[in-house]
Amino acid sequence: DGGITQSPKYLFRKEGQNVTLSCEQNLNHDAMYWYRQDPGQGLRLIYYSQIVNDFQKGDIAEGYSVSREKKESFPLTVTSAQKNPTAFYLCASSIDRTGRSEQFFGPGTRLTVL
Amino acid sequence: KQEVTQIPAALSVPEGENLVLNCSFTDSAIYNLQWFRQDPGKGLTSLLLIQSSQREQTSGRLNASLDKSSGRSTLYIAASQPGDSATYLCAARTDSWGKLQFGAGTQVVVTP
Repeated sequence: DGGITQSPKYLFRKEGQNVTLSCEQNLNHDAMYWYRQDPGQGLRLIYYSQIVNDFQKGDIAEGYSVSREKKESFPLTVTSAQKNPTAFYLCASSIDRTGRSEQFFGPGTRLTVL
Repeated sequence: KQEVTQIPAALSVPEGENLVLNCSFTDSAIYNLQWFRQDPGKGLTSLLLIQSSQREQTSGRLNASLDKSSGRSTLYIAASQPGDSATYLCAARTDSWGKLQFGAGTQVVVTP
């Protein structure tokens, strides 16, 4: 089945730790995105990547880092510099960079800081 | 900056009624508008995508309209069922590289 997978489903982090969230897609999509969702708020864009080895900051990139070494993978690292990382993290992809294609989402990772 | 608003934040209807969900946006220069469904603790499921050149899009019991001049989109769900209970999100794409600007969502409960 084609789709987007995210792991782990739940993640617990201690203060001062870096953690990495995985996102993999087998849809052969060029563009990939990371969003953060907080209760009662809409999704906010953290980072996006249009092609391999290229990525750009979104609206709330501070305290986060990404890499795009392979077309199908776009991992997100939440660093200790992120002041309030507890949230639901969603990865998405779209087939191309034209801005007109549909965006598809993975099942999400819930990160909790202990 | 594009702002997307969804009113009401929550809605409860009896089974069988038609649902009308509203989405408004401040900048009419959009590439497209996408509607999503989100179940508790889950990711987003894409329902409909309306390109800026289209007026409406239909899929089964779902129909979405787009009026760029007034900055509005409406999602209609005919003959609602308890399984339609979820949060519905709309998102406008205003950048060529694909950034979506989301509304906060409308939480829908369909009672049997």
